[in-house]
Amino acid sequence: DAKTTQPTSMDCAEGRAANLPCNHSTISGNEYVYWYRQIHSQGPQYIIHGLKNNETNEMASLIITEDRKSSTLILPHATLRDTAVYYCIVRLNYGGSQGNLIFGKGTKLSVKP
Amino acid sequence: GAVVSQHPSRVICKSGTSVKIECRSLDFQATTMFWYRQFPKQSLMLMATSNEGSKATYEQGVEKDKFLINHASLTLSTLTVTSAHPEDSSFYICSARVPGYTDTQYFGPGTRLTVL
Repeated sequence: DAKTTQPTSMDCAEGRAANLPCNHSTISGNEYVYWYRQIHSQGPQYIIHGLKNNETNEMASLIITEDRKSSTLILPHATLRDTAVYYCIVRLNYGGSQGNLIFGKGTKLSVKP
Repeated sequence: GAVVSQHPSRVICKSGTSVKIECRSLDFQATTMFWYRQFPKQSLMLMATSNEGSKATYEQGVEKDKFLINHASLTLSTLTVTSAHPEDSSFYICSARVPGYTDTQYFGPGTRLTVL
């Protein structure tokens, strides 16, 4: 079972920041937080991941709370092409079944003009 | 990021036939690949883990004799749906784990299988 909780859906205006929350209150000390997104009828796309420090790359920023029980994915300037289902996943960062990605239902982000 | 391809992108077959789907890592060697299935309006479900040179590990409830997985090289894994039936119609997606410290998985574009 997925170990994260996300809102079912969110709307965002084009050009504004999209802030997608994720709760992972049972995360263990050596589990990472990963974010993927899936645009309709495509394979999931890796966005970003982190352990406890905030992370930023060309796609997004990941803010992890100090207690690591929740995180927020930030798309700084959402475009229509960012409309997708966003998945927050916690996993161990090594091989074996404990490192498998288990997908929950994710958040359906709709970016509107 | 790393690139994973799948072929074909979509396939239509008759009930009772077998279908092979290929998954390739294009710019890295993947000792571990994964196969997922996604039904309409549902999330991805992990079917099996494919390790190069060894037998695949199947998730509970997935029939290993129906979904044959071969990972003969570090860049290619294949999924064969044997004796396909309409209920096997689904979106099949593979992913590959990039070896290294972060061990991030990258996904292929998916294969839409329709069994008539």
